[in-house]
Amino acid sequence: LAKTTQPISMDSYEGQEVNITCSHNNIATNDYITWYQQFPSQGPRFIIQGYKTKVTNEVASLFIPADRKSSTLSLPRVSLSDTAVYYCLAQSGNTGKLIFGQGTTLQVKP
Amino acid sequence: DVKVTQSSRYLVKRTGEKVFLECVQDMDHENMFWYRQDPGLGLRLIYFSYDVKMKEKGDIPEGYSVSREKKERFSLILESASTNQTSMYLCASKFMAGYMNTEAFFGQGTRLTVV
Repeated sequence: LAKTTQPISMDSYEGQEVNITCSHNNIATNDYITWYQQFPSQGPRFIIQGYKTKVTNEVASLFIPADRKSSTLSLPRVSLSDTAVYYCLAQSGNTGKLIFGQGTTLQVKP
Repeated sequence: DVKVTQSSRYLVKRTGEKVFLECVQDMDHENMFWYRQDPGLGLRLIYFSYDVKMKEKGDIPEGYSVSREKKERFSLILESASTNQTSMYLCASKFMAGYMNTEAFFGQGTRLTVV
């Protein structure tokens, strides 16, 4: 399983774009990059997944460079309700295990 | 909607008790997981199961066991509860779909306090 490294915490203000970068230097060919979001007192929920280049959905964008050794989750115009922990995973579906790291705690301020 | 249901939201048990945490999913998922979450330590995998009666240890299996007799149900067992097992426990499930990493669905969590 590819080890991922992401900042422990980040602060932002309402209305700003937030970019959270995840490093996964030993990512394998079959690994996908997946991001989860966790609000206090809730289980994590899936927000976005990609393999290469760029993926966008109604919640976020995910940018993955050609070498795939890192990825960036982009949250446009954050609001207070985006305050959460964001987890980056890099693994393939047939790995079985689903390993989370410590995640990045994003605090959005008014 | 996929639903992962954990039997209790809050639980208080005494040291030495045998504790059962139950998790049920309604989407015929092959994979099921148990995690514990403690402040500053993120989500740590205790055990996971990829089929009925099949299980593998995660990163912190000591003091825990699991049971999966039916596909929809995955139980976490604390053989003899200790105070250091006071934590938030989260159950998750997902499809097994080859290389594609499918979305995992989590329950609401069980906050266990061992006194």
